[in-house]
Amino acid sequence: DTGVSQNPRHKITKRGQNVTFRCDPISEHNRLYWYRQTLGQGPEFLTYFQNEAQLEKSRLLSDRFSAERPKGSFSTLEIQRTEQGDSAMYLCASSLVSGAITEAFFGQGTRLTVV
Amino acid sequence: AQSVTQLDSHVSVSEGTPVLLRCNYSSSYSPSLFWYVQHPNKGLQLLLKYTSAATLVKGINGFEAEFKKSETSFHLTKPSAHMSDAAEYFCVGFLTGTASKLTFGTGTRLQVTL
Repeated sequence: DTGVSQNPRHKITKRGQNVTFRCDPISEHNRLYWYRQTLGQGPEFLTYFQNEAQLEKSRLLSDRFSAERPKGSFSTLEIQRTEQGDSAMYLCASSLVSGAITEAFFGQGTRLTVV
Repeated sequence: AQSVTQLDSHVSVSEGTPVLLRCNYSSSYSPSLFWYVQHPNKGLQLLLKYTSAATLVKGINGFEAEFKKSETSFHLTKPSAHMSDAAEYFCVGFLTGTASKLTFGTGTRLQVTL
């Protein structure tokens, strides 16, 4: 296992189209997070999963955004009817949360450009 | 409110001089704190972590940070900067008791000059 994997690395789409990103976490990790990062800013929390359960969603996550983690393994983030303001780097991270808190490991991100 | 504050958006140092990147936190719980580094067009890499063991934490590439509860701080230091240290640095924390999500600071861009 080489870490958190995100696909695709880059996505260019036309405004109004739907896009879906995939994140494969480190295999034994039970937590999975999605963040969004725009140029020159720090990552903003979008949502996180504990196994297959989505436990929290940010108010940033409008109705056009949906995330799933079926079977508690990989996760997908879908954006419907994309807007130019959705252009950003979408980051996925995973961690193992049990008795002790461990760090989160980040993927390389998916850069979305909406034209 | 639970938060992480990075006090400097940009720090510039000369190569070979010390680095200090400042971070303060606000939390009702005993936090777990991390420093991540992001080089241009690269992913976030963990530099070091504090999880209530030793208050002085050593990380990779000669970086270290000290957790000071009385000052609610977790500043990142390095004795001697190297050109390869130029990057964006994020102070990050699990600030709630359930470790529900990582809270990011706004980042500090470190510039290293000759």
